[in-house]
Amino acid sequence: GAVVSQHPSRVICKSGTSVKIECRSLDFQATTMFWYRQFPKKSLMLMATSNEGSKATYEQGVEKDKFLINHASLTLSTLTVTSAHPEDSSFYICSAKGQGQETQYFGPGTRLLVL
Amino acid sequence: AQSVTQLGSHVSVSEGALVLLRCNYSSSVPPYLFWYVQYPNQGLQLLLKYTTGATLVKGINGFEAEFKKSETSFHLTKPSAHMSDAAEYFCAVRTNSGYSTLTFGKGTMLLVSP
Repeated sequence: GAVVSQHPSRVICKSGTSVKIECRSLDFQATTMFWYRQFPKKSLMLMATSNEGSKATYEQGVEKDKFLINHASLTLSTLTVTSAHPEDSSFYICSAKGQGQETQYFGPGTRLLVL
Repeated sequence: AQSVTQLGSHVSVSEGALVLLRCNYSSSVPPYLFWYVQYPNQGLQLLLKYTTGATLVKGINGFEAEFKKSETSFHLTKPSAHMSDAAEYFCAVRTNSGYSTLTFGKGTMLLVSP
């Protein structure tokens, strides 16, 4: 149980375009979802936290207009990188947690490359 | 505020040797502690966690960790390393409040040689 999927696993896009990444909890209801960014050989940096049906809470320094997060249902959250630039290239990982759960379950990650 | 320190960005062991990955935390309230493993180009997989109760917790793949409050530590061990254990390991802490966000350590790369 507690499986989280992400789609796509890899995406290459041109600078200036927008990219949407989906995060789904497959076998549980994710009342809270988290989006992380991981730079090469670095730890995970929390970007934002979202509760189903509410606006996301962004960490300091993360541009909410650039990284749009939607958590419209208990099984789906999306991260849209708007007007992507090469410096947005990174590994984006989502995680999900159910009501009352202590554990976050992580997706397999999405490798974004902006040319 | 909470923080996690993982001593050693890289740890090298021989196959069959003891694995010890160190993690120290700081937290103003009783913490929940986690170890995750990440294989190349993959997401994180939960190895084990401590919430309450028994301070020695056993996880998957033969790993275990012991919560020592007096030392603010949660070191990860495995008696005998396998080649397949080579990966990046992250220690994380969270508090039972708010959105329950995780704070991660910087990770330790475990290298296993034949």
